[in-house]
Amino acid sequence: DSGVTQTPKHLITATGQRVTLRCSPRSGDLSVYWYQQSLDQGLQFLIQYYNGEERAKGNILERFSAQQFPDLHSELNLSSLELGDSALYFCASSANRISSYNEQFFGPGTRLTVL
Amino acid sequence: GDSVTQMEGPVTLSEEAFLTINCTYTATGYPSLFWYVQYPGEGLQLLLKATKADDKGSNKGFEATYRKETTSFHLEKGSVQVSDSAVYFCALSLNTGGFKTIFGAGTRLFVKA
Repeated sequence: DSGVTQTPKHLITATGQRVTLRCSPRSGDLSVYWYQQSLDQGLQFLIQYYNGEERAKGNILERFSAQQFPDLHSELNLSSLELGDSALYFCASSANRISSYNEQFFGPGTRLTVL
Repeated sequence: GDSVTQMEGPVTLSEEAFLTINCTYTATGYPSLFWYVQYPGEGLQLLLKATKADDKGSNKGFEATYRKETTSFHLEKGSVQVSDSAVYFCALSLNTGGFKTIFGAGTRLFVKA
């Protein structure tokens, strides 16, 4: 158990809909990262937040957005969903030293299926 | 752009065989390098890391050396076990104000008893 929790575990929805994925980082971790894992694209870095502020951005679509709240949990919002958005979405967290790389601890993931 | 290329799988080995999974990278700047492992139904776990040239990362019998001259970070283990069956990801991380992490496509390893 990494200490990172993600809800829900599974999500099934229809094209055009909007969903919110939630992540609670390990106690004391200030950084949260979001990743998308799909069969054809592999594991893609989406975005990083540190103590409520966006810090790094990867291949995140404009239809997707994220935020980190004062209690440090994070939410990933996916809107106007398409079939191709079906994937496993991972959240990871790391410790509070922003000046150097810290090991990332991954949650169990949320499996999103868009029908 | 920045990228990580690792050998395609699946790799199938017998128990106690020698393992090598190749990984090469392209990066602007000076990245840190990592190997992560994903067991079935789980998230990724850090296996080992190296932050500068010639560093050797090691953990649970696995090793990888940061080779700047060949831009490589190959994963090796002298004697694999059935419990090593998993997907292995090579990754690099660049400090862009935050930490942008790029993963390779992953290599699935099957170890037969």
